[in-house]
Amino acid sequence: GAVVSQHPSRVICKSGTSVKIECRSLDFQATTMFWYRQFPKKSLMLMATSNEGSKATYEQGVEKDKFLINHASLTLSTLTVTSAHPEDSSFYICSARDMEDSSYEQYFGPGTRLTVT
Amino acid sequence: AQKVTQAQTEISVVEKEDVTLDCVYETRDTTYYLFWYKQPPSGELVFLIRRNSFDEQNEISGRYSWNFQKSTSSFNFTITASQVVDSAVYFCALSHTGANSKLTFGKGITLSVRP
Repeated sequence: GAVVSQHPSRVICKSGTSVKIECRSLDFQATTMFWYRQFPKKSLMLMATSNEGSKATYEQGVEKDKFLINHASLTLSTLTVTSAHPEDSSFYICSARDMEDSSYEQYFGPGTRLTVT
Repeated sequence: AQKVTQAQTEISVVEKEDVTLDCVYETRDTTYYLFWYKQPPSGELVFLIRRNSFDEQNEISGRYSWNFQKSTSSFNFTITASQVVDSAVYFCALSHTGANSKLTFGKGITLSVRP
């Protein structure tokens, strides 16, 4: 149980275009999902906390208009990188919290590797 | 504020050696969770363990063992008889409790196990 998927797993896009990454909880409902970014050989940096039915909470320094987050259902959150530039190239990982799990554990997706050319 | 320090950045051992990965944390919360994750080259985070701050018992799972010392705010991870498949980046993380609690990750330790 507690499986989180991400789609796509790998994407290459041209500079100036937008790309959408999906995060799905497959066998549980998640009122809260998290989006992380990881640069090569670096740690995971929390970008934002996504709550179902409300606006995402962004961490300091993360541009809301650049990284659009939508959490329209209890099993799906999306991250859209708008007007992507090469510096947005990174590994993006989502996690989801089972709303019925009192331990508040986060279950991680497999990640999406974004390359902007 | 929460902080996780993994002072070791890279460790290289020969297969069958034991290796300990250090983790020191800071938090003002009295109740919190500590985690270890493994990230192999594929990138997917693999959950290894979660420890509640009230449970200071050490844990062993096969070749893996964890030593939680609240007095020194440490949660160290030992791999016994390391194998090449253990080569990965290992992250220690800290979370307070609550619905919107966030995970704070350490910088990670790159472990290379040579045959």
